[in-house]
Amino acid sequence: AQSVSQHNHHVILSEAASLELGCNYSYGGTVNLFWYVQYPGQHLQLLLKYFSGDPLVKGIKGFEAEFIKSKFSFNLRKPSVQWSDTAEYFCAVKDDYKLSFGAGTTVTVRA
Amino acid sequence: EAGVAQSPRYKIIEKRQSVAFWCNPISGHATLYWYQQILGQGPKLLIQFQNNGVVDDSQLPKDRFSAERLKGVDSTLKIQPAKLEDSAVYLCASSPRGGTSSYEQYFGPGTRLTVT
Repeated sequence: AQSVSQHNHHVILSEAASLELGCNYSYGGTVNLFWYVQYPGQHLQLLLKYFSGDPLVKGIKGFEAEFIKSKFSFNLRKPSVQWSDTAEYFCAVKDDYKLSFGAGTTVTVRA
Repeated sequence: EAGVAQSPRYKIIEKRQSVAFWCNPISGHATLYWYQQILGQGPKLLIQFQNNGVVDDSQLPKDRFSAERLKGVDSTLKIQPAKLEDSAVYLCASSPRGGTSSYEQYFGPGTRLTVT
């Protein structure tokens, strides 16, 4: 079965700091990769996705992620965070069968 | 476009009681999913429907959980009898049919279940 690992459980940053959240998965075949975000009191929403092509993908709100196939990784980055980026971030991987989620990383941005 | 609707938003029951959750997917979305999200974990797929047929229910505890999607639109998830470990947020998601757009899932607000 597919497993998805997110490296950090909780990250605390100051505004304008850079953010990088790690995500690794176990499946060796073709995958589709996603980052979802859940803002306080809101439902899960898609931040960005990778299906094929350029391994550097850009999403909403200035986020980007890089797919490194050899490392089975799909790390999320943002050069300069804002207080409004405080949220829980989930990496998800779709193989041939289903979408599997990591445990999530809570990001707290201090003003 | 209206999003995925779920009700109730919160439910508190005692163990051994039964409970049901309702989901209405985005109009026209053929695929519907139910996930269980336990505190501190990511969502875990319980069951996936394609129209009104079950595609994957391998992680559904069938001795106590059941789900149906009559007429291929809205769906209900039932737990009977509930256990303490069923305390979680139950998420419903839907996705359109066909192509890479079918890979993207749209989530509802979830139902937070507390079993005491």
